Amino acid sequence: QKEVEQDPGPLSVPEGAIVSLNCTYSNSAFQYFMWYRQYSRKGPELLMYTYSSGNKEDGRFTAQVDKSSKYISLFIRDSQPSDSATYLCAMTVTYNFNKFYFGSGTKLNVKP
Amino acid sequence: DTGVSQDPRHKITKRGQNVTFRCDPISEHNRLYWYRQTLGQGPEFLTYFQNEAQLEKSRLLSDRFSAERPKGSFSTLEIQRTEQGDSAMYLCASSLAEQGTGELFFGEGSRLTVL
Repeated sequence: QKEVEQDPGPLSVPEGAIVSLNCTYSNSAFQYFMWYRQYSRKGPELLMYTYSSGNKEDGRFTAQVDKSSKYISLFIRDSQPSDSATYLCAMTVTYNFNKFYFGSGTKLNVKP
Repeated sequence: DTGVSQDPRHKITKRGQNVTFRCDPISEHNRLYWYRQTLGQGPEFLTYFQNEAQLEKSRLLSDRFSAERPKGSFSTLEIQRTEQGDSAMYLCASSLAEQGTGELFFGEGSRLTVL
């Protein structure tokens, strides 16, 4: 069993839709949770970062962490064609940030 | 451009040959990471450096793989006696340990194709 599971998609939505992306994990020691966006043939770039459980909002993006269920989510409101990319969840155990575990990524396509 | 740069961007080699990738991190970053990403998968941790010290290595990093970061600046990842299973994107990332968010700044990767 992988430490981090993520539905690979692809997920296709119309422009303006609310998108929900999710990951589950098995290691209850994970405390720091991130979402990265990766465009084709590019390296990932950080979108959101959260510590422990709770919600965090940044513009059109909201990250949620439910440690009791070992489940994290990323919501994108008013999705745009420019949001079309692969979204990777990532997590790590300690504040040392020495090793990150990534999900396999969900490919999102926002249709104009 | 002051981002993470990787070279070469694409390398095609024959099985059994050695290859070396170079990564130049963001200049003030003291941490450097190597990840491997295959098609349809997320990045898998290979190793990381704090300054010039290699502090952790994945079990994925067999004895054919070696990474160095002399003087805590650029890093090289060498793969000896390449196998077809080594075909992947090799991503380098850097970060500032004191930043406290764990944000990794990735390069655009070096794609390896082993024939």
